[in-house]
This record gives sequence, structure tokens and C-alpha cells, in this order.
Amino acid sequence: DARVTQTPRDKVTEMGQEVTMRCQPILGHNTVFWYRQTMMQGLELLAYFRNRAPLDDSGMPKDRFSAEMPDATLATLKIQPSEPRDSAVYFCASGSTGYDEQFFGPGTRLTVL
Amino acid sequence: AQSVSQHNHHVILSEAASLELGCNYSYGGTVNLFWYVQYPGQHLQLLLKYFSGDPLVKGIKGFEAEFIKSKFSFNLRKPSVQWSDTAEYFCAVNAWASGSARQLTFGSGTQLTVLP
Repeated sequence: DARVTQTPRDKVTEMGQEVTMRCQPILGHNTVFWYRQTMMQGLELLAYFRNRAPLDDSGMPKDRFSAEMPDATLATLKIQPSEPRDSAVYFCASGSTGYDEQFFGPGTRLTVL
Repeated sequence: AQSVSQHNHHVILSEAASLELGCNYSYGGTVNLFWYVQYPGQHLQLLLKYFSGDPLVKGIKGFEAEFIKSKFSFNLRKPSVQWSDTAEYFCAVNAWASGSARQLTFGSGTQLTVLP
């Protein structure tokens, strides 16, 4: 049963450290999304890729966040340097088109102390 | 820009009660509509979706939703909730413009608590 996988599932780090989160989309899906979920802001879209090209990353703080797709099977979200306000659950989702169902991964719970 | 409103932030019901969660969107053109559910500690999963055709859509686990274009609404319903329906529910909209779809916009979510 095809699923989106994310690593790590939990990450605790100290302020200023670099954090890298990884996502493996479902094989054959050509769209990948990164979301951040917090109690205060809810679910926010950070970045959106189609065929590995970034289409929209306007939701992402550019000074410290970066998202890439080195190949079709791997998407990464990096925070450098991390800050306590980055603490959240980060979800990756993939889809076969940009407008149909998105399949979500289990998320990475990030805690920045 | 498209937006999605879920007016009920937290709904508390007893088992067997009927459920209706509101969802309104702001976009006058063609839309695709979704309801996702997030059980405690888990990821979002699709409950149902509407693209076209019959505006009454049936999804998994006994849920259904009705698209009312004139009201810009896509409310989620279930005739009789169970304790296991306790979760957060998200409405999402994908709007079409100039022949292509924009990315999904999610509502703020409604936390449903079902008391045994």
C-alpha cells in the first residue's frame, strides 16, 4: 500500500542548529507539498513542487528555510538556523496532479529549544 | 485570493447525535472541494471530495457532504457519530483559474469531540 514517508518522525534540537526533514513521495506522484501545522496558525502551505520544480514557496520564510527535490523520490525541507518559533509538525504530501487528492505523510514533529 | 472558512472551531457531541460541520469558501469560479480528517496524533486523510456531478457526495465511514454553489458551501454531515469520530476535520478548496488549478487552500479546522 503506497504511502508518503517522512523522516525523522520526531526531532528535538537547540536554537541555532540546522534541521533537515526528508520526504519520500508516493512513486509516480509528480506534485509534492510541504505544510506546517501549529495550534495557532493551523495548516500552512510552505512550498509546492511539480515535476521537481518549485512552483510556489511564498509561504516559506526565505531567510532560514529552503526546500528542494534532489530527485523524484526525495524532497527535503531545511531550516538553518532553527528558532523556537519553528516548533511545529511538518507534513509532506504528494499527489498525481496539482488539483486532486493529496496524500499526507505521518509528519515530523519538530521542537526547537 | 481564495479562502476557506470553518466557523465551528470545536464541536462536542454525544454518541449517536447528528453532525453538521460548516465550510464556506470565497471564489466565484470552478472549484474542487475536499474534506480531510486528522485523528489524534495522525496525518490527514481524505474523507470525501467533490469535482462535479451530483452535489451530494458520499465518503468513507458514513460521512457525506453537500455542495451548494449558490451558498459557496460544502458542509460535512453524518447522521450518527461514534466516539471513534473524535478528530479534527479540515475543509479544503482548489480553485480553477485560467484553465489551471491553484494549490489546495485549507480551512482552520474543526475539532470534533464525541462523548461516549
